[in-house]
Amino acid sequence: SAVISQKPSRDICQRGTSLTIQCQVDSQVTMMFWYRQQPGQSLTLIATANQGSEATYESGFVIDKFPISRPNLTFSTLTVSNMSPEDSSIYLCSGQGTNTGELFFGEGSRLTVL
Amino acid sequence: GEDVEQSLFLSVREGDSSVINCTYTDSSSTYLYWYKQEPGAGLQLLTYIFSNMDMKQDQRLTVLLNKKDKHLSLRIADTQTGDSAIYFCAENNNAGNMLTFGGGTRLMVKP
Repeated sequence: SAVISQKPSRDICQRGTSLTIQCQVDSQVTMMFWYRQQPGQSLTLIATANQGSEATYESGFVIDKFPISRPNLTFSTLTVSNMSPEDSSIYLCSGQGTNTGELFFGEGSRLTVL
Repeated sequence: GEDVEQSLFLSVREGDSSVINCTYTDSSSTYLYWYKQEPGAGLQLLTYIFSNMDMKQDQRLTVLLNKKDKHLSLRIADTQTGDSAIYFCAENNNAGNMLTFGGGTRLMVKP
């Protein structure tokens, strides 16, 4: 299984600022994804992080708000731009294994926007 | 689109068995998964089942799949307080790349 490390694990941010979350995988995975989990909710897919090209965003999420990079197979970043209190959430990085298509998750980054 | 449904909450006593249920709509799912999320943590893959199986057992965990009814369950035998968490079922989509998650079932284990 893949081990996925995320940082920061949590942060408190001011409205209008931006924060970049980093995700490192210890082995190569085929796909990397970014999810959002709002308080008490399930996971919502933000985008698929594509190596060396623009991420593929799900409906309701745009590149200007959530720019994503994936410069190589094992590293990705998600930026939450121009934050508002509605962006307070847990952001989860995941990598897809090659066995059954299972997803492995990082510990999540809990953002609180004041 | 795909839809995955779970009951919100389950409470059991320590030592009893827990059964968490899940229904899904995508009949073409290849694999179905169970994840566990403890407070303040990410999701941990517990187990998975291939769609041509109807049962899988892994220590205290038993997964049952009724493909005809599109019903998946997770049974935890001898439930312990450390099993208290949110449990998510998930299915992969037609392309096998993306997973659709249920809303999660919060399991509370009383001593």
